[in-house]
Amino acid sequence: GAVVSQHPSWVICKSGTSVKIECRSLDFQATTMFWYRQFPKQSLMLMATSNEGSKATYEQGVEKDKFLINHASLTLSTLTVTSAHPEDSSFYICALPGTSLSEQYFGPGTRLTVT
Amino acid sequence: QKEVEQDPGPLSVPEGAIVSLNCTYSNSAFQYFMWYRQYSRKGPELLMYTYSSGNKEDGRFTAQVDKSSKYISLFIRDSQPSDSATYLCAMSEYGNKLVFGAGTILRVKS
Repeated sequence: GAVVSQHPSWVICKSGTSVKIECRSLDFQATTMFWYRQFPKQSLMLMATSNEGSKATYEQGVEKDKFLINHASLTLSTLTVTSAHPEDSSFYICALPGTSLSEQYFGPGTRLTVT
Repeated sequence: QKEVEQDPGPLSVPEGAIVSLNCTYSNSAFQYFMWYRQYSRKGPELLMYTYSSGNKEDGRFTAQVDKSSKYISLFIRDSQPSDSATYLCAMSEYGNKLVFGAGTILRVKS
């Protein structure tokens, strides 16, 4: 399956600041990447689908102006949490599709804590 | 009612036991069924990927899908302490997003 990296693995920021999370595909070119959020003891929820060279597709209820996604190359997608608040504290995970969109390979995740 | 139901556990078993993990779902259009293992503070790791009904075996792991009952299972034989993790089921319609269960916490005691 796909090899995915994320950076940083853990970040603490103050309320009102912005944080950028990087997701990289290490072994193939990905035209599509997925961004998920996981709150403690809850399952993964898809936030948005990142498309190389075009706008991301956001899930219902996810604020596109708050969670900015940039998929500028076939190996890199970034998620920027703008004006972060404590309720944005969560585990953010990106994923790449395998041979089908249903077969997804996840990165190691980024733990965001907003104080 | 959630689209995918999964008992959160925790499920505690002795080393060497056979573990049975299950999910039920309500959407009859689901065709792809996955099981992921997630260690604490890590991303999920794909264990099993199956299409439609039937069984699939990979080493100590066996995945079963019963579409008529809308029920999927993951069996782990000869469980090891290293199998202790959260197991997430996931499913999707063709070309659609994954819908995850809440995850079952498994603890294998040595």
